[in-house]
Amino acid sequence: EAGVAQSPRYKIIEKRQSVAFWCNPISGHATLYWYQQILGQGPKLLIQFQNNGVVDDSQLPKDRFSAERLKGVDSTLKIQPAKLEDSAVYLCASLGWDPGANVLTFGAGSRLTVL
Amino acid sequence: RKEVEQDPGPFNVPEGATVAFNCTYSNSASQSFFWYRQDCRKEPKLLMSVYSSGNEDGRFTAQLNRASQYISLLIRDSKLSDSATYLCVVNPAGTALIFGKGTTLSVSS
Repeated sequence: EAGVAQSPRYKIIEKRQSVAFWCNPISGHATLYWYQQILGQGPKLLIQFQNNGVVDDSQLPKDRFSAERLKGVDSTLKIQPAKLEDSAVYLCASLGWDPGANVLTFGAGSRLTVL
Repeated sequence: RKEVEQDPGPFNVPEGATVAFNCTYSNSASQSFFWYRQDCRKEPKLLMSVYSSGNEDGRFTAQLNRASQYISLLIRDSKLSDSATYLCVVNPAGTALIFGKGTTLSVSS
């Protein structure tokens, strides 16, 4: 089974620039998440999609972050304009089913450095 | 009170040692519990689910105490390859998984 694909793996930008990250979840997984992981901290949920609808975006800084999943498969996360504190790894995850539990599978992440 | 709290460590132990990690959560309505493992500069991966009756997977044992809102992970006979960050994860009903900050384990020879 192919895993969760993310790109780019690394991105360096200057503050006030924009950046976009792409995610392709595991085939058939209806639920997709974007998490932000700052160094030394656990992943923090930014947004949750169920198919192409938003389930939870309460922690997404909507003045600068946006995300979409137009066809219920791939998703993009955009930051515009970026701030220094946005430096983090952006993890995409999709939800599948393992006997007895839902299993969240992460992609390798997109590491953003804002200078 | 933070939703999921863990002792960040680091825990530095020799090979063969037994080490235990603790985690507390604030939402008493939480339904599912997990331990994830994260290697340096890698993504988190599911280590094991945590069931009310407690569960064991080889050298790893997870326990849940709903009354105290407390989860634990015990690692016996530590190996060098166990060095990683261990993330306590809680799933309140109807929401996404909530992660703790993680506990760092370093096993030395």
